[in-house]
Amino acid sequence: DAGVTQSPTHLIKTRGQQVTLRCSPKSGHDTVSWYQQALGQGPQFIFQYYEEEERQRGNFPDRFSGHQFPNYSSELNVNALLLGDSALYLCASSFFVSGNTIYFGEGSWLTVV
Amino acid sequence: GENVEQHPSTLSVQEGDSAVIKCTYSDSASNYFPWYKQELGKRPQLIIDIRSNVGEKKDQRIAVTLNKTAKHFSLHITETQPEDSAVYFCAASSDYGGSQGNLIFGKGTKLSVKP
Repeated sequence: DAGVTQSPTHLIKTRGQQVTLRCSPKSGHDTVSWYQQALGQGPQFIFQYYEEEERQRGNFPDRFSGHQFPNYSSELNVNALLLGDSALYLCASSFFVSGNTIYFGEGSWLTVV
Repeated sequence: GENVEQHPSTLSVQEGDSAVIKCTYSDSASNYFPWYKQELGKRPQLIIDIRSNVGEKKDQRIAVTLNKTAKHFSLHITETQPEDSAVYFCAASSDYGGSQGNLIFGKGTKLSVKP
């Protein structure tokens, strides 16, 4: 039973570029959330997807967008990268029922230079 | 919106001692309180969670207590071992549209267990 998988694990981008990060949820899960974790901080919620729609969104600009596919996998896109976007991006999956446990993937380390 | 505060930010204990980390939350609608352990360069790993209809939960050396009236919850680790050294995060969440909403995290506690 595969857990939450993310790709790529590490990447380096230049300011102004665009990046796409990918996530496959844990088997049986249908809800995917994305979090940004800056160095030394707790994860911060970006948005949540269920049934291919964005259901909740945190306090992040429109440069951050996402998508969920029919197989429940998801992408996070960040446009016009800033140095401050350098962080660990975590994907979390769960089942769409209140009270279900949320599991995190290993994350994608993004460095913007 | 919800705000979660976590104390202390760093905690150093001797091997075998107990460690306690405390969190407070602001939103009375929060009903799910997980604790995550994050080792350097790794993902947050769920170690224990508690829901608002329960006051205490224990799993071997780890226990969590919840006081809904005071809006605080705590993590207790007994008989600490060097491998317990990590950053621990508390989080809170409430229902959203029939599912579990997003997690609001505390700032973390760096636990060091000295042999």
